[in-house]
Amino acid sequence: EVQLVESGGDLVQPGGSLRLSCVASGFIFSNYWMHWVRQVPGKGLEWVSRIDSDGSGTSHADSVKGRFTISRDNAKNTVYLQMNSLRVEDTAVYYCGSVFEYWGQGILVTVSS
Amino acid sequence: QAGLTQPPSMSKDLRQTATLTCTGNSNNVGNQGAGWLQQHQGRPPKPLSYRDNNRPSGISERFSASRSGNTASLTITGLQPEDEADYYCSAWDKSLNAVVFGGGTKLTVL
Repeated sequence: EVQLVESGGDLVQPGGSLRLSCVASGFIFSNYWMHWVRQVPGKGLEWVSRIDSDGSGTSHADSVKGRFTISRDNAKNTVYLQMNSLRVEDTAVYYCGSVFEYWGQGILVTVSS
Repeated sequence: QAGLTQPPSMSKDLRQTATLTCTGNSNNVGNQGAGWLQQHQGRPPKPLSYRDNNRPSGISERFSASRSGNTASLTITGLQPEDEADYYCSAWDKSLNAVVFGGGTKLTVL
């Protein structure tokens, strides 16, 4: 059974930092590009970041470029999202997954003073 | 980043057929095809198909996807009450080096 479990979500003040983690199981993690996607409750899906299967390439949405960094550890079947300089508008449920095949359950990040 | 275009809503009768559309361009849908996701309120998205018509295991054959040029379609036959959900299309955009999503279609089953 495929599982993707996100962790690290929290309430943080504007300007603060958080690191999200996503542990995968049930599929060959190292074969897949992995992504982070976010969703404001009641709104649509917004792609955030992606990383190649071996970690050699990454890309980020313009809205987070320079503030968020995606990374992975294939030995631990884990993908990370380091989020710095957080803004109120970063408040959302964050999902990790391969997008086209597998999704996690999501984790809530709230940025508020 | 520019997104894919989906009609915001659709209503269909029980047991009827719904066809949802998603329009992109030659850099995304027209290049590598589209994927479709189903999302019920308060739940994570669930993949229904990817690269046009590949269906993950466990997905009902009532869901089928296709593509013509830059437009992808998802057809749901024999509509059931549990099909009432939001449906999103997605595609890799080679020009943006990003995943792009449609705004979602809210399907109501009457």
